[in-house]
Amino acid sequence: EIVMTQSPATLSVSPGERATLSCRASQSVTTNFAWYQQKPGQAPRLIIYGASTRATGIAARFSGSGSGTEFTLTISSLQSEDFAVYYCQQYNNWPWTFGQGTTVEIK
Amino acid sequence: QVQLQESGPGLVKPSQTLSLTCSVSGGSISSGYFHWSWIRQPAGQGLDYIGHMYSSGSTDYNPSLKTRVTISVDTSKNHFSLKLSSVTAADTAVYFCARASYGGILDDWGQGTLVTVSS
Repeated sequence: EIVMTQSPATLSVSPGERATLSCRASQSVTTNFAWYQQKPGQAPRLIIYGASTRATGIAARFSGSGSGTEFTLTISSLQSEDFAVYYCQQYNNWPWTFGQGTTVEIK
Repeated sequence: QVQLQESGPGLVKPSQTLSLTCSVSGGSISSGYFHWSWIRQPAGQGLDYIGHMYSSGSTDYNPSLKTRVTISVDTSKNHFSLKLSSVTAADTAVYFCARASYGGILDDWGQGTLVTVSS
């Protein structure tokens, strides 16, 4: 099973600032990789797939990069609605696996 | 985009079988090339992928649950189901159904349903 490790566990950021989240895979997943956003009491929402493609309706301030084992999600200027938990996921190898999540909180 | 809605008992006794259904609207469950998926999330924890049934009828289950899980599709009712046998308190979680496209992208999710395992 591929282990996905996210860092940091918690990121404290002021509104308007940039947030950078990282995810590392225990072995290469090429670009079969996604990011999800989850707010309290809600289902996760797809943000990025294919490592760098924004999902439908996702704001341009969200960008993804990386391939192989190292991936980054950047939120260029945090808005109030962006404070949430973010999960990475690989779908290159079965079983598909998620990271443990990064909480982006208001500083 | 489709809409998904989980339903089923919110309380299951230890050693019994957890049964949930996911109703799909806004599209046919038998069209396209999708994985009809189940994911769970224990309180305050991350996401665990349980398994899925592909449009062809084939299934994949997480090895950690494989001996206890069955996922099936009823095309006449446009829904798919999860059965998890011999449950324990460790199976208490919010259970989500979702549709995966392009080999694993979970682009549509149900709202989730809490299942508690307790006597």
